Amino acid sequence: NAGVTQTPKFRVLKTGQSMTLLCAQDMNHEYMYWYRQDPGMGLRLIHYSVGEGTTAKGEVPDGYNVSRLKKQNFLLGLESAAPSQTSVYFCASRGEGAYEQYFGPGTRLTVT
Amino acid sequence: AQTVTQSQPEMSVQEAETVTLSCTYDTSESNYYLFWYKQPPSRQMILVIRQEAYKQQNATENRFSVNFQKAAKSFSLKISDSQLGDTAMYFCAFMKETSGSRLTFGEGTQLTVNP
Repeated sequence: NAGVTQTPKFRVLKTGQSMTLLCAQDMNHEYMYWYRQDPGMGLRLIHYSVGEGTTAKGEVPDGYNVSRLKKQNFLLGLESAAPSQTSVYFCASRGEGAYEQYFGPGTRLTVT
Repeated sequence: AQTVTQSQPEMSVQEAETVTLSCTYDTSESNYYLFWYKQPPSRQMILVIRQEAYKQQNATENRFSVNFQKAAKSFSLKISDSQLGDTAMYFCAFMKETSGSRLTFGEGTQLTVNP
């Protein structure tokens, strides 16, 4: 039982490049979330999903897109990376009726 | 919208002593959950303790306990008998008690336990 996994763990991008972060969970959870963590600002919600095929905007969605084609996967895309998107990105999942979110190990992204 | 505030960016404590981390929040909801998460240098987010707003009794998990003051919208974390492994960033978080709800985090408090 791997829980929540994230791919990749580290990445360096040049401004304007694109990439996709993959989150996978094997707990059959309905809800999945993408957060970014910046110094002094805690974790902020980018996008989230309440089920397969659904997505919704969070607190800081600009510059990101997401997709949830399969229940176990939640993808976060950066179409044209900017230095302001340098951050640590966390994925989390939660089961229906449960209170606890399970977090992945994070992805450190640097945009130069 | 909910907001969560942690007014102590950094704190330190001596090993074996007790420390209290503060958190305040603002919401118009009556049913919700409050959490404390720990993030050690490994970066992994670990749930420390949770509190349901409808429960008057303060939650306790081993050396960790909370002081939940609903009217004051205050939710502090007390760590007793501090250990070196408690050194971490601690986040307070809020979640509404509705389907699909998400977490709102505070800014975090960096706790250092000194030997």
